[in-house]
Amino acid sequence: GAVVSQHPSWVICKSGTSVKIECRSLDFQATTMFWYRQFPKQSLMLMATSNEGSKATYEQGVEKDKFLINHASLTLSTLTVTSAHPEDSSFYICSATTGRTTEAFFGQGTRLTVV
Amino acid sequence: GQNIDQPTEMTATEGAIVQINCTYQTSGFNGLFWYQQHAGEAPTFLSYNVLDGLEEKGRFSSFLSRSKGYSYLLLKELQMKDSASYLCAVRDGDYKLSFGAGTTVTVRA
Repeated sequence: GAVVSQHPSWVICKSGTSVKIECRSLDFQATTMFWYRQFPKQSLMLMATSNEGSKATYEQGVEKDKFLINHASLTLSTLTVTSAHPEDSSFYICSATTGRTTEAFFGQGTRLTVV
Repeated sequence: GQNIDQPTEMTATEGAIVQINCTYQTSGFNGLFWYQQHAGEAPTFLSYNVLDGLEEKGRFSSFLSRSKGYSYLLLKELQMKDSASYLCAVRDGDYKLSFGAGTTVTVRA
């Protein structure tokens, strides 16, 4: 199956700093990537959808200036959590798809802890 | 928005069969997925249904009825390693994939 690599797997940062999370499709070209956030014992909540070369589409309630998403190539999307606060601590997961009719493959997830 | 409902928890014994139901209401429909997720890990793909009927894949089967907005995941010959959270996810008319809250399945010896 297709491989999506997400880095880092876990990160601890201080309040007020920014953290960048990378999502790479290793053996296919991902036209669309999705970013999710998951709090403990809760479901995956879609944050935004990004298409290569265009601006990301954010879900209602997600601050686009706080969660910067860049999808500059067909194999890489990045999520930057700016001015992180403890309430941003969560499990962030990306998924990538080759097109509208195919399944989405997930990265390993990033455990972010803001102290 | 999307509304995807599934039971919170289920418990079964090793070797048994468990059926996890999922009902959904979405704006458009382009397929229903089932994922397995172990604590602290990313979801792994189990099955995909876009047409009505049953899809069988080894010990796992998934059923879909689009007219009823209903799906189930059937786990047969349960093993201890099947203890996990099972997520029902629906792709809507805009091809966004939204998830239910997940069903935690506990398999007992």
